[in-house]
Amino acid sequence: DTEVTQTPKHLVMGMTNKKSLKCEQHMGHRAMYWYKQKAKKPPELMFVYSYEKLSINESVPSRFSPECPNSSLLNLHLHALQPEDSALYLCASSQGDRVFETQYFGPGTRLLVL
Amino acid sequence: DQQVKQNSPSLSVQEGRISILNCDYTNSMFDYFLWYKKYPAEGPTFLISISSIKDKNEDGRFTVFLNKSAKHLSLHIVPSQPGDSAVYFCAAGPTQGGSEKLVFGKGTKLTVNP
Repeated sequence: DTEVTQTPKHLVMGMTNKKSLKCEQHMGHRAMYWYKQKAKKPPELMFVYSYEKLSINESVPSRFSPECPNSSLLNLHLHALQPEDSALYLCASSQGDRVFETQYFGPGTRLLVL
Repeated sequence: DQQVKQNSPSLSVQEGRISILNCDYTNSMFDYFLWYKKYPAEGPTFLISISSIKDKNEDGRFTVFLNKSAKHLSLHIVPSQPGDSAVYFCAAGPTQGGSEKLVFGKGTKLTVNP
């Protein structure tokens, strides 16, 4: 099973809402990632968790709050987002957090902030 | 400042011919390179990679060439098939120096015409 699942597939939220994106993998991977991708732009790394600890935070605004409850799950809590945060949010996982470890991506959550 | 550049947003090729997708990078610390393929409504999937100790890596119809002096890599697909129609992302990263993370290019949309 090389699947990374993400829920929901689509999300529309207002600027005052609080919502969460969820990501799950059952490959025994110990590294999990959140990427943000806007239209016609490359995926941009937001956070990396390695062995359930936050190892990389790419200076992401605090309105995005990641959480790794266990080695299979990764959440991204959203609060007081701005319309410019509308994007495709991709989750990925890999065996370890080295660059040469293949990252397996989920299908993404398409977020629209109104 | 884009550290990984894919200067062709799109490429159209006839079935059976060769597809050549190009990628340039600027960071001399990058020593591991990957290509990902993305279909609509799916996450990127790993295609092929190459380490800087090699200048060519081949996997079936897919070959990646690396020219370190020019900081350039290319993906050759031969023969191209309609099912290869997708967006192809080049990614690169350092395997040394601490903060290992992949940097992606903007992608090239390949269309293979029957």
